[in-house]
Amino acid sequence: EDKVVQSPLSLVVHEGDTVTLNCSYEVTNFRSLLWYKQEKKAPTFLFMLTSSGIEKKSGRLSSILDKKELSSILNITATQTGDSAIYLCAAYNSGTYKYIFGTGTRLKVLA
Amino acid sequence: NAGVTQTPKFRVLKTGQSMTLLCAQDMNHEYMYWYRQDPGMGLRLIHYSVGEGTTAKGEVPDGYNVSRLKKQNFLLGLESAAPSQTSVYFCASTDAYEQYFGPGTRLTVT
Repeated sequence: EDKVVQSPLSLVVHEGDTVTLNCSYEVTNFRSLLWYKQEKKAPTFLFMLTSSGIEKKSGRLSSILDKKELSSILNITATQTGDSAIYLCAAYNSGTYKYIFGTGTRLKVLA
Repeated sequence: NAGVTQTPKFRVLKTGQSMTLLCAQDMNHEYMYWYRQDPGMGLRLIHYSVGEGTTAKGEVPDGYNVSRLKKQNFLLGLESAAPSQTSVYFCASTDAYEQYFGPGTRLTVT
């Protein structure tokens, strides 16, 4: 059965800290891994990582896919209170057309 | 560009009542999905569709039915609502790469 596990479940840091969120997956017909940020509404897309694009960066956020370890990390540097959210990762199974989501990491950034 | 829209945004039902949630997308995507999100549970797939006229069960399909009569619309029905179906429901569509989410429907069953 396909599975995605995120760690830690929750994290509290102070502004300016750097955080690393983890996502591991066991998915047949794996094609891509996606990261989302969710505040009090729908998830918003951050990155998609595939075999042809294993590292992405946007401002203070960056993500790497480790195909050997079947895992991904999301790094946030110089955190701000606006980074407080739930971060979701999902793996796409191209055989079933399903996205398998982890339960998320709840990040709280204190001023 | 509306993207993915959902109606209604909020709804309160009594146990046993029925309702339909509507999802519409204007991106010509083949694939559409219905998820529910409960505290601490992440997003759980209810049903999905890989094209007009097709539907398939996800991991939590019991108590729900769906229809995809038109490519742009994906309907989620609750025939006899139960308190366990109190949740936030998200619709999403994709071209098999990025998933685009609707704003969600908050449903309370009393």
